[in-house]
Amino acid sequence: NAGVTQTPKFQVLKTGQSMTLQCAQDMNHEYMSWYRQDPGMGLRLIHYSVGAGITDQGEVPNGYNVSRSTTEDFPLRLLSAAPSQTSVYFCASSYGIRAENTEAFFGQGTRLTVV
Amino acid sequence: AQSVAQPEDQVNVAEGNPLTVKCTYSVSGNPYLFWYVQYPNRGLQFLLKYITGDNLVKGSYGFEAEFNKSQTSFHLKKPSALVSDSALYFCAVRDRGSSGSARQLTFGSGTQLTVLP
Repeated sequence: NAGVTQTPKFQVLKTGQSMTLQCAQDMNHEYMSWYRQDPGMGLRLIHYSVGAGITDQGEVPNGYNVSRSTTEDFPLRLLSAAPSQTSVYFCASSYGIRAENTEAFFGQGTRLTVV
Repeated sequence: AQSVAQPEDQVNVAEGNPLTVKCTYSVSGNPYLFWYVQYPNRGLQFLLKYITGDNLVKGSYGFEAEFNKSQTSFHLKKPSALVSDSALYFCAVRDRGSSGSARQLTFGSGTQLTVLP
């Protein structure tokens, strides 16, 4: 049981490049989300999904796309990388569609640098 | 909109002493409250949560937190700190009365706890 797995762990991109951050969970959780962590700002929600085929925007969605074709996978796409997207990205999953009162399980994070 | 404040960026405590990491929240309805811990170069790990019922919540590794509705606080506590407790701690809230993206977890900015030997 691997939990939440994120790849890659580290990535350096040039401005304007695109890439996909992968996230997979093997706990059959309906709810998945992506956060970015910046110093002094805690974690901010980028996008989330309450089940396969359903996604919605969080607090800071601009410049990112997501899709949820299966329960297990929730990739995050950077369309045209900008230095402001330099951050640590975390994927998380929770049990239950509403996921209101359940704790989140986090991946190990992807440290992204855009130069 | 919901929000969380962790007023201390850094808390230092001597090993064996009690520790407190402060958290206050703001929601329009009633809250679900969570504490997470992050060790260097790792993801966040769940410590404890308040959903309903007893205001004193006990969690992993000897941590506990007290929900105080009148003060809108959910401070994290431990009676005797260990050096291994040194980490970054995050408080988070969900407003059970909201909908859509507002129903999602909102995190505080984090408090770096250092336990000195």
